[in-house]
Amino acid sequence: QVQLQQSGPGLVKPSQTLSLTCAISGDSVSSNSAAWNWIRQSPSRGLEWLGRTYYRSKWYYDYVVSVKSRITINPDTSKNQFSLQLNSVTPEDTAVYYCSRVGCSNGTCLDGMDVWGQGTTVTVSS
Amino acid sequence: EIVLTQSPGTLSLSPGERATLSCRASQSVSSSFLAWYQQKPGQAPRLLIYGASNRATGIPDRFSGSGSGTDFTLTISRLEPEDFAVYFCQQYGWSPRPFGQGTKVEIK
Repeated sequence: QVQLQQSGPGLVKPSQTLSLTCAISGDSVSSNSAAWNWIRQSPSRGLEWLGRTYYRSKWYYDYVVSVKSRITINPDTSKNQFSLQLNSVTPEDTAVYYCSRVGCSNGTCLDGMDVWGQGTTVTVSS
Repeated sequence: EIVLTQSPGTLSLSPGERATLSCRASQSVSSSFLAWYQQKPGQAPRLLIYGASNRATGIPDRFSGSGSGTDFTLTISRLEPEDFAVYFCQQYGWSPRPFGQGTKVEIK
């Protein structure tokens, strides 16, 4: 059974960096059959996909345009986890952040986001 | 950029009734990459349907998905008490992988 466990601070000051980690159990961040995502949810923006990473002989990264200049998703194979860093945050980045997995086969991710982390409420405030 | 619009915003029904939820895309979406999720307060979304019509593991057969092109539907054949929640559609084939704004199914 695949599980995702999120960790990270719930309060970040404006202009600083938001950092969250998603630890994977029951699967591997280096799996050829998965892609690892970050999503956020706020009352004003709804559910918003932020980006993903996946391994297919090398690491690939895919980010939503609206945060592309500020976001980094990094896999950590030694700890079997992946992280989110969002730079230069503003109060508009206040949201519940989720990590998730999408199942893939034969190079195509068809299976939807079938496993989710528990969510982390992040508030951007001084 | 694809926009997904869900209707109605709120559906007020009684247990045992049939629920029909709509998700309309601003441009054609491959049905291979259309998903439906259920979310209850304080919880992460839960995958119900992927590929427009495939039930995820453990999802009861009262949930069904259909549609193609720009119009997709989630049907709950007979509402159980635990089905009252918010439902989201998502196009997950390519960026920006948008979600709809959600339909709340509430007890009448």
